[in-house]
Amino acid sequence: GQQVMQIPQYQHVQEGEDFTTYCNSSTTLSNIQWYKQRPGGHPVFLIQLVKSGEVKKQKRLTFQFGEAKKNSSLHITATQTTDVGTYFCAGNNNDMRFGAGTRLTVKP
Amino acid sequence: ETGVTQTPRHLVMGMTNKKSLKCEQHLGHNAMYWYKQSAKKPLELMFVYSLEERVENNSVPSRFSPECPNSSHLFLHLHTLQPEDSALYLCASSQDWRGRQYFGPGTRLTVL
Repeated sequence: GQQVMQIPQYQHVQEGEDFTTYCNSSTTLSNIQWYKQRPGGHPVFLIQLVKSGEVKKQKRLTFQFGEAKKNSSLHITATQTTDVGTYFCAGNNNDMRFGAGTRLTVKP
Repeated sequence: ETGVTQTPRHLVMGMTNKKSLKCEQHLGHNAMYWYKQSAKKPLELMFVYSLEERVENNSVPSRFSPECPNSSHLFLHLHTLQPEDSALYLCASSQDWRGRQYFGPGTRLTVL
């Protein structure tokens, strides 16, 4: 079945540094979604990417969908302490599979 | 966000107990989901209901029994659980199956 791999598992950065998390699917995806879960909270939807090569931005967050629609990335520019949490990707094909998540911690 | 509510928020039960988790969505969505979240498997999809029919069951042990009486409510019936079932159980809903999901706050379950 479909597998979604996400790396890294953990990332610790100094405030102001950039951060990137990557997702790779074993199969071509119809779309990919990204979620953020704050410590003690529940996952909250960030964005959905549908088109091959699509790039979307939300303030300091940049989301990319690969040309082959099998990989995606989330990049945060100049991290802030409010960015802490776990970022999940979720790949959609015949079913929907979440990646294992990347836990981001930010040192002030 | 209060679109998806879950009760109870915390539950402690023994291995011989029977309990139920409840999820309610107020968003008019057609699909509802149960997830298990633990340190070992961060987000593990358990069941999916679309238009009140179960469309996905990911090899979940029979000690977990879902019920979807209508499109707004989803239950997870628990019986003879094991300590390794201790986890955060999250409910979610979406307009359509595989669409953007709205998560509830979760039930923190501890099995003694």
